[in-house]
Formats: sequence, C-alpha cells, structure tokens
Amino acid sequence: AQTVTQSQPEMSVQEAETVTLSCTYDTSESNYYLFWYKQPPSRQMILVIRQEAYKQQNATENRFSVNFQKAAKSFSLKISDSQLGDTAMYFCAFGKIKTGANNLFFGTGTRLTVIP
Amino acid sequence: GAGVSQSPSNKVTEKGKDVELRCDPISGHTALYWYRQSLGQGLEFLIYFQGNSAPDKSGLPSDRFSAERTGGSVSTLTIQRTQQEDSAVYLCASSLSGQGAGNEQFFGPGTRLTVL
Repeated sequence: AQTVTQSQPEMSVQEAETVTLSCTYDTSESNYYLFWYKQPPSRQMILVIRQEAYKQQNATENRFSVNFQKAAKSFSLKISDSQLGDTAMYFCAFGKIKTGANNLFFGTGTRLTVIP
Repeated sequence: GAGVSQSPSNKVTEKGKDVELRCDPISGHTALYWYRQSLGQGLEFLIYFQGNSAPDKSGLPSDRFSAERTGGSVSTLTIQRTQQEDSAVYLCASSLSGQGAGNEQFFGPGTRLTVL
C-alpha cells in the first residue's frame, strides 16, 4: 500500500520570503510520480509541480521547486518569493506508473498562509 | 477551453435521503476519477473510469455508494441512504488517458455535501 505523510498541518511565511513544505511517502514501487497540488479557498485543485521518480534532476516551475530524495522517500516543495496568492492548502500526492492504476494517493495537506 | 465542472456546488440533505452528484469532464478526456475530501483529511480515492472498461470501484466505502458514466462522458455519483459521516467535499477529476498516473488530472471545484 502507498501512504503519503505531510507532518506540517499549518505553516506561515512572510511575503517575498521562502518556505519549504515537507512530504514523505512509502511505497514498494520502484518507479512512480510525485505531485504537489494547490487548493485555494475556491476548492479548485491545481497541479503545481510533478516529479518522475526515475529522473534524478529535481523539477522546477518558476518559483516552485522540489527536493526529491528517493532513498529517503522524501519530496519537499520550496516556494521562493512567496506571494499572497500562494495562500492555500498544499497536498502532496503519489501516483503509480502502471497502466490501469491511475488514482492518486494524497497526504492530509499543509495549510500555507502568506503574511503581507 | 472549459474545465471540469460539477453540480451542484453545495448540497444539504437529510439523513437517509439519496443524493446524486454530477461531473462533466473535459471534452476528450477518457479517464474520470471521483475523490472524497473529508474535513482535515486528504483526498480519498473512490472510483475510476477509463473509456469503456469496467470501472475500478476499489475505493468505494460501502455499497451505498455507486457511480456511472454515460457515453464515456458525464458521470454521476450516487449515495443512497446518506449518513452524517458522508458529509464531505466530493471532487471529480479527468485526464487525457489512463496510461498511468503521468497524465495530469484536472479537478473540478467539487460538491460540498452536508448531511443533517
């Protein structure tokens, strides 16, 4: 079974500062995907960034980057130059590579507040 | 183009009543997923449809829950004899195909169900 753990229920950061959200997971799969999703108050889940486990290079998307440590099964999200619009719930998720097994496994989320 | 839409946005019902939640996926997406988000929890997988294949119902919590997808497009999640523990946000997502989790899942805004 796959499990995803986010140990920080809530975090806050000053506008323009950098914040890191933690995520660990457990799986017996050797290849898989990891995701960070953002859920603002509108409830719309938005994909922030995706990492393929077989790629050693950490994924980056503008101000968002990940620190993927496969051996440690750790997948943290770094948000640089935080903006007020980054205030949201952030969910870490795991997905298998195998065809036909497409549902994602989610952590319980981290509520991030950006303080002006 | 249009994203995933869900209706109703909010639903309040009395314990014991049946409810139907609707999801319109992105046109051309063959894969459709239902998730449940309870207060303080991550997203819990319920059911997955891929094209004309038999759905993966492994996440449905009880036989009071069922879903169908007509014509490979619109999906309806039905909860019979609702209980208070069914209160949650029900999220629908679609993806271009079911070839593993690498295909991005696009989420709808969800239906907030409250069972009194």
